Amino acid sequence: AQSVTQLDSHVSVSEGTPVLLRCNYSSSYSPSLFWYVQHPNKGLQLLLKYTSAATLVKGINGFEAEFKKSETSFHLTKPSAHMSDAAEYFCVVSELISSGSARQLTFGSGTQLTVLP
Amino acid sequence: KAGVTQTPRYLIKTRGQQVTLSCSPISGHRSVSWYQQTPGQGLQFLFEYFSETQRNKGNFPGRFSGRQFSNSRSEMNVSTLELGDSALYLCASSSTSGRLNEQFFGPGTRLTVL
Repeated sequence: AQSVTQLDSHVSVSEGTPVLLRCNYSSSYSPSLFWYVQHPNKGLQLLLKYTSAATLVKGINGFEAEFKKSETSFHLTKPSAHMSDAAEYFCVVSELISSGSARQLTFGSGTQLTVLP
Repeated sequence: KAGVTQTPRYLIKTRGQQVTLSCSPISGHRSVSWYQQTPGQGLQFLFEYFSETQRNKGNFPGRFSGRQFSNSRSEMNVSTLELGDSALYLCASSSTSGRLNEQFFGPGTRLTVL
């Protein structure tokens, strides 16, 4: 069975400082991993995805994440936070269910990012 | 290309009623998934449809049902509403149902049950 743990429910950073949002996963097979962002009263937007190619994945808006199999982690980073980055971020793992005919997505509990001026 | 659209955006119902939510996927996408989002439980998977067939189902009671039409549009129905069904219901579409395939989310339908 797969699971996702987002280690921080809230993260506060000052504008212009680095962002680190932590995610650990558990998966029986080789997973696909995603980061999504949700702004207030909006749907989820894909930031980036890992699909077993390069372990360092670059996404939109300057975000990137590194897949570390030995640590079962997929942390999201950004060198310099912007006010518009304030939102909730979700780490997601996707793998095929036992029948092999469909996927199962599991969402982390989310990390609320606050960016201080 | 137009994104995923969901109607209605907001809905208020009373306990015991039933409700139908609609989702139109991105043109060409054949997979539609539904999720329930609440502050307490977070994002929980309801079901996924691909080419009019339910491919996968989450752990929700039978009061929650769905279907997909030949044009890939999908509806979700909740019967005998309970207060705990108040949530944001999100629909997501993707071109296939493979694990590598990212999903594109709609803005959601905010359901309030009184």
